[in-house]
Amino acid sequence: DTAVSQTPKYLVTQMGNDKSIKCEQNLGHDTMYWYKQDSKKFLKIMFSYNNKELIINETVPNRFSPKSPDKAHLNLHINSLELGDSAVYFCASSQGWKRQRRGDTQYFGPGTRLTVL
Amino acid sequence: GDSVTQMEGPVTLSEEAFLTINCTYTATGYPSLFWYVQYPGEGLQLLLKATKADDKGSNKGFEATYRKETTSFHLEKGSVQVSDSAVYFCALLIQGAQKLVFGQGTRLTINP
Repeated sequence: DTAVSQTPKYLVTQMGNDKSIKCEQNLGHDTMYWYKQDSKKFLKIMFSYNNKELIINETVPNRFSPKSPDKAHLNLHINSLELGDSAVYFCASSQGWKRQRRGDTQYFGPGTRLTVL
Repeated sequence: GDSVTQMEGPVTLSEEAFLTINCTYTATGYPSLFWYVQYPGEGLQLLLKATKADDKGSNKGFEATYRKETTSFHLEKGSVQVSDSAVYFCALLIQGAQKLVFGQGTRLTINP
């Protein structure tokens, strides 16, 4: 009954490869997010989707491409991986952007630790 | 732009000590404020939140009060336990922007 799940939990790969991280939420939320946590634990938004529509893209390199096949899923595909992509990637979801709720709480997945060698 | 500044860590305390982790913010609008906690090897969990000035959020013995006049949201707990050892993040959310802006995190270690 996990609320926000991500796969895989760990991903080790070589520079130049292409990889994907999957995220699913069973909370019935409309909005999903990707955040990146660097080695110093700093967290920054990358993307946000509302009901399959992209609403936030925070100047992320276009090697990163999110895809939302339906509102319960938001996947992250990364092309031509670089050493600097090594980080923990968190997926999150919330009830919704369009509902304009104050304090709209975001619920986070367990994270995917990506290591690029 | 919007930003959050947290007290520098790491913070090390003995069990049953009083905890304060300072958090101040700069925001272009009227934000909601959150504290999230990250236990080792896990994702972020919501600890508490406050959506308007003078609101107090509380959970598991932790409290924080939304102070608009000082743009602060300090986290407090009267008596910490070893199990409180984690990284704590203060964050703000501008209504309509729907992205959390996080502080840099404060690592807390509680010794028995």
